[in-house]
Amino acid sequence: QKEVEQDPGPLSVPEGAIVSLNCTYSNSAFQYFMWYRQYSRKGPELLMYTYSSGNKEDGRFTAQVDKSSKYISLFIRDSQPSDSATYLCAMTLNTGGFKTIFGAGTRLFVKA
Amino acid sequence: DTGVSQDPRHKITKRGQNVTFRCDPISEHNRLYWYRQTLGQGPEFLTYFQNEAQLEKSRLLSDRFSAERPKGSFSTLEIQRTEQGDSAMYLCAAFGQGPTGELFFGEGSRLTVL
Repeated sequence: QKEVEQDPGPLSVPEGAIVSLNCTYSNSAFQYFMWYRQYSRKGPELLMYTYSSGNKEDGRFTAQVDKSSKYISLFIRDSQPSDSATYLCAMTLNTGGFKTIFGAGTRLFVKA
Repeated sequence: DTGVSQDPRHKITKRGQNVTFRCDPISEHNRLYWYRQTLGQGPEFLTYFQNEAQLEKSRLLSDRFSAERPKGSFSTLEIQRTEQGDSAMYLCAAFGQGPTGELFFGEGSRLTVL
């Protein structure tokens, strides 16, 4: 079993839809939870991070963490064609040095 | 711009050849990470450096792989006797200054082994 599970999709939605992306994890020692966005043939870029359970909002994006269920989500409101990318969940352990484990990534297509 | 540059962006080589990738982070990033990403997968941790010291290596890093970070600045990742299974994107990332473990990735070096 992988430490971080993420449905690879692809997920195709019409422009303006609300998108829900999810990950589950098995290691309760993960401390920081992040979402990265990766465009084709580019490196991942940090989109959002959270530390504790609850919601964090940034513009059209909301990150949600439920540590009791070991479940994290990213919601995208009013999705745009420019949101088409691969979304990677990531979780970090602090064991003296930070080590980040990534999910497989979900490919999102937003159709105009 | 993340301040992390990688070179070359794409390398095509024949099986059995050696290849070397270089990563240049901006100077204040004292932690540097190497990840490998294959098609349809997320980045997988390979190794990381604190300044010039290599502190952790993944089991993915076979003895054909070697990474260095002389003087704690740029880093190189060398793959000897390449195999077709080495074909992947090799990503370098610098660790952010904040407490969250944010990684700033370069554009990656894509390796194709024929």
